[in-house]
Amino acid sequence: SQTIHQWPATLVQPVGSPLSLECTVEGTSNPNLYWYRQAAGRGLQLLFYSVGIGQISSEVPQNLSASRPQDRQFILSSKKLLLSDSGFYLCAWTRGNTDTQYFGPGTRLTVL
Amino acid sequence: QKEVEQNSGPLSVPEGAIASLNCTYSDRGSQSFFWYRQYSGKSPELIMFIYSNGDKEDGRFTAQLNKASQYVSLLIRDSQPSDSATYLCAAEGGKLIFGQGTELSVKP
Repeated sequence: SQTIHQWPATLVQPVGSPLSLECTVEGTSNPNLYWYRQAAGRGLQLLFYSVGIGQISSEVPQNLSASRPQDRQFILSSKKLLLSDSGFYLCAWTRGNTDTQYFGPGTRLTVL
Repeated sequence: QKEVEQNSGPLSVPEGAIASLNCTYSDRGSQSFFWYRQYSGKSPELIMFIYSNGDKEDGRFTAQLNKASQYVSLLIRDSQPSDSATYLCAAEGGKLIFGQGTELSVKP
């Protein structure tokens, strides 16, 4: 069966510090991968998606970036965090062209 | 802009009642629709998906789709306190478009 992992589970970072969140999927190959952010009391905002190694599409221009160095690894990064970057970061995957997305456990980021 | 709209609630129902959650979408080209449940502080988990007009049943859950009216609903029969969560509706539109979610509270 497929499993999706995210770490860390929680993170408290000062404004201006860098960020690196990691997502890995097990039990499948060549998944489509997604990064979402959910601000407190808000809906899901798609940040990035990837259909393959090195292929990243950005949905929202901001101070975040994403990379996919391996088939089942997706990384979300920032060089300098802003207060507005606080939120619940969710990684999701789909099998190829199917639409059904499965979410990881999420990382709760607080920027102080 | 493609949108999915849900009543934010909170929707409060007594234990054992039927909870009805509704969703409308703007993109007539959407073919696939999904319901996710999100407990407070947790990530969304898939409950059901539906592609065809009509009803689809899975245990206590029934998804209903009316493409002509661009309307999707989720019925939860015999609601339990453990069903208390936020329910997210999503429509496929090149990518998944999520609604803001409806908070459901089931009172014992």
